[in-house]
Amino acid sequence: EVQLLESGGGLVQPGGSLRLSCAAAGFTFGSYAMSWVRQAPGKGLEWVSAISGSGGSTYYVGSMKGRFTISRDNSKSTLYLQMDSLRAEDTAVYYCAKDRGYNYATDFDFWGQGTLVTVSS
Amino acid sequence: QSVLAQPPSMSAAPGQKATISCSGGNSNIGNNFVSWYQQVPGTAPKLLIYDNNKRPSGIPDRVSGSKSGTSATLGITGLQTGDEADYYCGTWDDSVSAFLFGGGTKLTVL
Repeated sequence: EVQLLESGGGLVQPGGSLRLSCAAAGFTFGSYAMSWVRQAPGKGLEWVSAISGSGGSTYYVGSMKGRFTISRDNSKSTLYLQMDSLRAEDTAVYYCAKDRGYNYATDFDFWGQGTLVTVSS
Repeated sequence: QSVLAQPPSMSAAPGQKATISCSGGNSNIGNNFVSWYQQVPGTAPKLLIYDNNKRPSGIPDRVSGSKSGTSATLGITGLQTGDEADYYCGTWDDSVSAFLFGGGTKLTVL
């Protein structure tokens, strides 16, 4: 059974940093691309970033380039999202999602339960 | 405003059919596969359709997807109250090298 468990969310002040983790189980982690998708309160889904199965290729939505860094440790079956210079508009539930493919973001067949990030003073 | 345009809401009666559209452009829907997701409020999204018209294991055949040019459509027949949810289309966009979601459609079954 595929399981994705996010952690690391919480309350952070504007300008602060946070590192999200997503522990995966039930599949060969390094064989699939992974993504982070977020959802602001009452809003729709917004794709944030993707990383290839090897970790050699990364992709970001334009507004987050330079502030967010996606990475993975295939030996630990764990996905990460380092978030710096956080803004109030980054407040959202952050989901990690398993891709059906290997290279970038094609579609997402399994999702974690999400972790809430709140940016506020 | 999303690059992939979906109607914000729609409603249909139980037993009827719902059709949700997703309109994009040549760099996204026109050149890539489309997927569809169902999200019941308070829960994680669930993949309904991938590769335009394929259903993952466990998704009933009353759920269907299609694509023509730069538009895609999700169809759900035999509507049930349990189908009330938000539905999102998604696809890769070659021009910005990013995955796009539509704005979402809230389906009410009444």
